[in-house]
Amino acid sequence: GEDVEQSLFLSVREGDSSVINCTYTDSSSTYLYWYKQEPGAGLQLLTYIFSNMDMKQDQRLTVLLNKKDKHLSLRIADTQTGDSAIYFCAESDGNTGKLIFGQGTTLQVKP
Amino acid sequence: DAGVIQSPRHEVTEMGQEVTLRCKPISGHDYLFWYRQTMMRGLELLIYFNNNVPIDDSGMPEDRFSAKMPNASFSTLKIQPSEPRDSAVYFCASSQPPGDQPQHFGDGTRLSIL
Repeated sequence: GEDVEQSLFLSVREGDSSVINCTYTDSSSTYLYWYKQEPGAGLQLLTYIFSNMDMKQDQRLTVLLNKKDKHLSLRIADTQTGDSAIYFCAESDGNTGKLIFGQGTTLQVKP
Repeated sequence: DAGVIQSPRHEVTEMGQEVTLRCKPISGHDYLFWYRQTMMRGLELLIYFNNNVPIDDSGMPEDRFSAKMPNASFSTLKIQPSEPRDSAVYFCASSQPPGDQPQHFGDGTRLSIL
């Protein structure tokens, strides 16, 4: 079945770049997503990329997609303390449209 | 535009009681999803609806769980009887058609069963 894997924890210093990585298995996924979850809150859609794209940039966020290796990454430039949260990668099941989530990467930003 | 609205935000009840969670999707979104989040199992899809019709309920843990969508602007998730292991955060999400469009999440209901 489909599976999405992420590393569990990343710690960076304020001002540095953060790179959160994700691997997925469903090659028929139409879209791949990044969600952010702050403590006690719901999941906020950060950005998403269509499967026929290699890269998408949105202000401080850059998403890279390597479809051959089924690897997705999220780069956050000039990371701020407000970026501290859990980041979820998700792929859409190409047949049903259901989202398959990774286990989330906790990003800790040190001042 | 209002986002997905869930109520209540917090619910604490005793084991054996009936629990009803509510969700109002974003207007115009034909897909509605119910998720459960726990530390042990992460995010799990419980059930989803398209145009008020349940499409896939394979994630519903057992018969104690039921979900309805009587109209396009309202859905409920009911647990009867509740058990301590049902304690989790329950999220509702909605999306536009087709079904693989971005899902927008509510703030969740934090459920504690004592």
